[in-house]
Amino acid sequence: GQQLNQSPQSMFIQEGEDVSMNCTSSSIFNTWLWYKQDPGEGPVLLIALYKAGELTSNGRLTAQFGITRKDSFLNISASIPSDVGIYFCAGQKSGAGSYQLTFGKGTKLSVIP
Amino acid sequence: DAGVIQSPRHEVTEMGQEVTLRCKPISGHNSLFWYRQTMMRGLELLIYFNNNVPIDDSGMPEDRFSAKMPNASFSTLKIQPSEPRDSAVYFCASSLVGTSNEQFFGPGTRLTVL
Repeated sequence: GQQLNQSPQSMFIQEGEDVSMNCTSSSIFNTWLWYKQDPGEGPVLLIALYKAGELTSNGRLTAQFGITRKDSFLNISASIPSDVGIYFCAGQKSGAGSYQLTFGKGTKLSVIP
Repeated sequence: DAGVIQSPRHEVTEMGQEVTLRCKPISGHNSLFWYRQTMMRGLELLIYFNNNVPIDDSGMPEDRFSAKMPNASFSTLKIQPSEPRDSAVYFCASSLVGTSNEQFFGPGTRLTVL
């Protein structure tokens, strides 16, 4: 089946630092989504990307849809303690009735005050 | 507007018992997805519905799992009989396919089978 390789698996950073994480796939996706999950909660959608090369920002978050359509990255600038959580990428190959998301394994972010 | 609603939030049961998880999707959404999350396997899609019709149930682990969507505002995931390896967090998500591919998740049901 489809695989999304998300890296890094975990990271510890100082408050105020910038963060970068990415996802790669052997398959082409038409949509890339980035989610954040807090402990005991469901994933919350952060950014959605629909076009190859698209660069989209949401506050301190910026995500890009790779030109090859096989990768995406998420950057967080000037991290704060509430950025702690697990970040998931998800890709979607929309086609004849297929709306499934394939999820990466997640990047666990810890922010040291 | 209310998001995806799931109940119960926590369920503890004994092996062999029947478990029913419930989901109310976002009003107006036409697709509903059931996921299972574990440390080892991450987020796995179990089954999804479009316009109340099951489209792909290839992720359902085995015959002990079944899902229904009797109407646009309600779905159930049933495990019978439950086993300890079914312990996980089960999420329901909904989306408005055709307009957006974005899926919105509920808070999840944490299932523990003893």
